[in-house]
Order: sequence, then C-alpha cells, then structure tokens
Amino acid sequence: DTAVSQTPKYLVTQMGNDKSIKCEQNLGHDTMYWYKQDSKKFLKIMFSYNNKELIINETVPNRFSPKSPDKAHLNLHINSLELGDSAVYFCASSPSSLGYTFGSGTRLTVV
Amino acid sequence: AQSVTQLDSQVPVFEEAPVELRCNYSSSVSVYLFWYVQYPNQGLQLLLKYLSGSTLVKGINGFEAEFNKSQTSFHLRKPSVHISDTAEYFCAVSERSQGNLIFGKGTKLSVKP
Repeated sequence: DTAVSQTPKYLVTQMGNDKSIKCEQNLGHDTMYWYKQDSKKFLKIMFSYNNKELIINETVPNRFSPKSPDKAHLNLHINSLELGDSAVYFCASSPSSLGYTFGSGTRLTVV
Repeated sequence: AQSVTQLDSQVPVFEEAPVELRCNYSSSVSVYLFWYVQYPNQGLQLLLKYLSGSTLVKGINGFEAEFNKSQTSFHLRKPSVHISDTAEYFCAVSERSQGNLIFGKGTKLSVKP
C-alpha cells in the first residue's frame, strides 16, 4: 500500500486550462501539505491543512486552491494555468512536526 | 523565521570515498532537523532526523548526521559512497511548535566510478 499517493504522475496541458491533482494518504496523519519543486529543484511550501486550519503561503497565486473532502485527501486545483506553473508538485502528510511522508510527485507541464 | 543553507550545490566524489554534505540553519526557536534524498525522477525519502537526545543520528543507507547547536549545523556524512548514492540531498528544518518543513536548496551528489 502506498502511504501517500498522487495522481496523475504526469500532466501536460495548455495555457489557460483548469486542472486538478489528487492526493490521498492512508497513514492517519492529521496534516497534509502541497509543495512545489521548480526547475532548479527548490522546494517551496504552498499550503498546509489540518482539517481545522488552512495556511496559505502568501506568495502562492489565488489561482491555486486546495480542496479537502476529508482528512485523508487534499487535492490541488489550479485555474487558468500559466507557463510558469510548470513544475513538480509534491503532496505530503505528517502526524506533527516530526517529519513528512511525501508522495512521488506530479510533473505538470504547461504548453 | 527559519532558514536553511546548504553550502554546496554540487559535490562530485569517487566511489568508496567519504563524503560530507554541509547544512546550516537559522532559527530563533528550537527546531527539528531532517535530511531527505531524492533519486532522479522520484519523490523525497527521509534519510534521517534529529528530534532530541544524542547529537549523532544514524539513518538509512549508511548515512549519519551530527547536530551541532553552537554552530547551528547538521552535516550529513557517509564513510564510503556507492554509485547508487547519486541523488539530490535536501536538508530541512521545522520549528518544534509547528510542522512546516523549510528546505535548503539541495546538494547534488554525483558518485563517479
């Protein structure tokens, strides 16, 4: 069983489209996260969500929105995709501040 | 606010040689420290973590790291590397009071035969 699973693994889409990336964790963790890894491999937190509180990195455009139907899922919805959104997006979960378990990533390419 | 500095963006090394990947952090509060590894086209895997107690932490694949509070460092070491250790290595820090992991910019370890 994969602990943190993301779908799709690859996503190629045109500018202006709206897309979603799904994330599910079966670890029973309380908090889930989305990170963006750019072409230089730099990892930057986008959101953290623990069922009670959504914390948004203020530098994230409001075209990005996390949606959590339940504790085990945190999906990422992106509106009006731009070329600069091309990156690898990682979902992660943690029970506390004691370290994360990451998904395998979704490589988004906007053309 | 916390920050993490990985002093080397690339470290080339020959197989069976020792390696040290350097990491320094900055924080005004107590922190937890982590090293993650990312193999090509894969996700991040936890190598080791320092939460409390002994400052020398042993992780998977023969890696270890030492927490030095006075120097605010958490360098990663391995006495003898293999070709399969070629990967990107990330140092990360989180404040003990909340969970967000802040990552360094990564160090690319290239092991050559």
